[in-house]
Amino acid sequence: QQQVKQSPQSLIVQKGGISIINCAYENTAFDYFPWYQQFPGKGPALLIAIRPDVSEKKEGRFTISFNKSAKQFSLHIMDSQPGDSATYFCAARRGAQKLVFGQGTRLTINP
Amino acid sequence: DAMVIQNPRYQVTQFGKPVTLSCSQTLNHNVMYWYQQKSSQAPKLLFHYYDKDFNNEADTPDNFQSRRPNTSFCFLDIRSPGLGDAAMYLCATSLGQTSYEQYFGPGTRLTVT
Repeated sequence: QQQVKQSPQSLIVQKGGISIINCAYENTAFDYFPWYQQFPGKGPALLIAIRPDVSEKKEGRFTISFNKSAKQFSLHIMDSQPGDSATYFCAARRGAQKLVFGQGTRLTINP
Repeated sequence: DAMVIQNPRYQVTQFGKPVTLSCSQTLNHNVMYWYQQKSSQAPKLLFHYYDKDFNNEADTPDNFQSRRPNTSFCFLDIRSPGLGDAAMYLCATSLGQTSYEQYFGPGTRLTVT
């Protein structure tokens, strides 16, 4: 019940396209859902996050869509650029408990 | 700029030779975390400090220890590194235990020969 399942494992998108990464969870007590972006050899960087009382949050080209009833949330990257090529991790957390990470998605944007 | 700093960025140690990794932060955050990340995997929490209170994850091997002498610094000690301990070690901070945002350092890549 503590798991967060992330898909796909890897994704290739053409420059200018939309990248979509999906995550599903079981624990309805989770109350915070962040996305992290990690470049090779670097630490993860917080990209965008959402709380379950909001269905969508947008920051620039990055949007989180949240479906509470389906227990799913997704990251959309609009107008994907080669510089977006990285590994993306979704995560979930309940209060002061630890972050539960998804398995990660390696995104490649072809020029 | 306020940030999380890890030293060294790359560390090579011999099998069984103790090693210490360090993390410092200028964010004045109360919580500091240590994660282990192996290739193509998500970060795995080893332990964290809330101020001076140490919280160990149940599945963290005894081989891993930590010290936090003050708010700014936190150390990860690996007493007898094995080949399986080769990984990226990430330090992260957050303002408080119920503060959601965690800020990660750049990591230390540990190689065990």
